[in-house]
Amino acid sequence: IVLTQSPGTLSLSPGERATLSCRASQSVTSNFLAWYQQKPGQAPRLLIYGTSNRAPGIPDRFSASGSGTDFTLTINRLETEDFAVYYCQNYGHSLTFGPGTKVDVK
Amino acid sequence: QVQLQESGPGLVRPSETLSLTCSVSGGSIRDYYWSWIRQTPGKGLEWIGNIHHSGITRYNPSLKSRLTISADTSKNQFSLRLSSLTAADTAVYYCARDQFFYGSGIPYWYFNLWGRGILVTVSS
Repeated sequence: IVLTQSPGTLSLSPGERATLSCRASQSVTSNFLAWYQQKPGQAPRLLIYGTSNRAPGIPDRFSASGSGTDFTLTINRLETEDFAVYYCQNYGHSLTFGPGTKVDVK
Repeated sequence: QVQLQESGPGLVRPSETLSLTCSVSGGSIRDYYWSWIRQTPGKGLEWIGNIHHSGITRYNPSLKSRLTISADTSKNQFSLRLSSLTAADTAVYYCARDQFFYGSGIPYWYFNLWGRGILVTVSS
């Protein structure tokens, strides 16, 4: 499964809402899709698993939804610590990552 | 608090074999499956393979012929060996803890904890 993320870069201001898209080339088995956040020089951090379940310790301003081939990560009220690169990952059939969406400061 | 730390050479010559180790602290490697993942500017994130302390391994088919992953429960570590290196193997290599489960008998996993990563450059 090939994952495509859009936009490539999202320029926003703190306090705004970010909406990130992840599209799969075929339906993701059982909606087994995860989202990760990566800051420069750091390892990725699990945000979301199973399409919409927040990982422990993840603030509730992060939410996600979707099914089949279309998935969305929403970050409400962006905080300065949220500016990073976000990757989606399919783990339902094979195991693949998207190319990432960079959320930077406008 | 479980932490993962990768170690190994930062520079390896073409055609040689890369050996990396992931040390797990704050928890036992007996409790989970463990993966290696790499990241390159060109190909992005790529899962390499994983291991259970019992010795069960799963490998990315594209790397399988060059890859060995092993675990040492006495040292609470697991390791990667990747042979016949080329410049295309230049990457940041991460070790990670798998959240592993079965659904209808089929294994699935994602990654709930990552190490900080180690940059490996393949160059003469």
